[in-house]
Amino acid sequence: GQSLEQPSEVTAVEGAIVQINCTYQTSGFYGLSWYQQHDGGAPTFLSYNALDGLEETGRFSSFLSRSDSYGYLLLQELQMKDSASYFCAVRTSPYNNAGNMLTFGGGTRLMVKP
Amino acid sequence: EAQVTQNPRYLITVTGKKLTVTCSQNMNHEYMSWYRQDPGLGLRQIYYSMNVEVTDKGDVPEGYKVSRKEKRNFPLILESPSPNQTSLYFCASKRQGPEGSNQPQHFGDGTRLSIL
Repeated sequence: GQSLEQPSEVTAVEGAIVQINCTYQTSGFYGLSWYQQHDGGAPTFLSYNALDGLEETGRFSSFLSRSDSYGYLLLQELQMKDSASYFCAVRTSPYNNAGNMLTFGGGTRLMVKP
Repeated sequence: EAQVTQNPRYLITVTGKKLTVTCSQNMNHEYMSWYRQDPGLGLRQIYYSMNVEVTDKGDVPEGYKVSRKEKRNFPLILESPSPNQTSLYFCASKRQGPEGSNQPQHFGDGTRLSIL
């Protein structure tokens, strides 16, 4: 079976740094994605790691360690607008013509306080 | 504007009354998919379509049907809805892209269904 584990909730203050972890056990692994979802909104793509290491995009960075089946999303200089749910998702097939491409974790609700 | 449009956004209905949730994308994407989102379970795939007239089951297909007669449209059909199908539904699309490349999924704004 497939499983992705994330903390259900994280709280941090404005301006701080927060790390959201994701551990996975899947039948195939070809990359880890992160999506952000504000309350009442649609998930939006944040980042993708296929190889080990850190990918940085502005205030957000994502890390992957394939040997540990582990990744994290790092949010720096937190702002109130970062309050949202964050989902990790594993790509389970290397082929673009495969169907079920993503398995999602249960999501982490981030609350940013003033 | 590139977008995935779902209708309706909200629907309250009764057990057994057939309903259809429409999904349309204007990005000429080959791949489309339906997910349901329930608290603590993340997004679970219901059905997906690789292209016109090509559809297949995802992880939780029971009680749902889909069709892909045109590239832009991918409706989700509940022939006989039941209360356990009360959920938040998302349609998504993506382009296939070069083999090995990662193409992010673009999601619609969601449809909240309540089956009484």
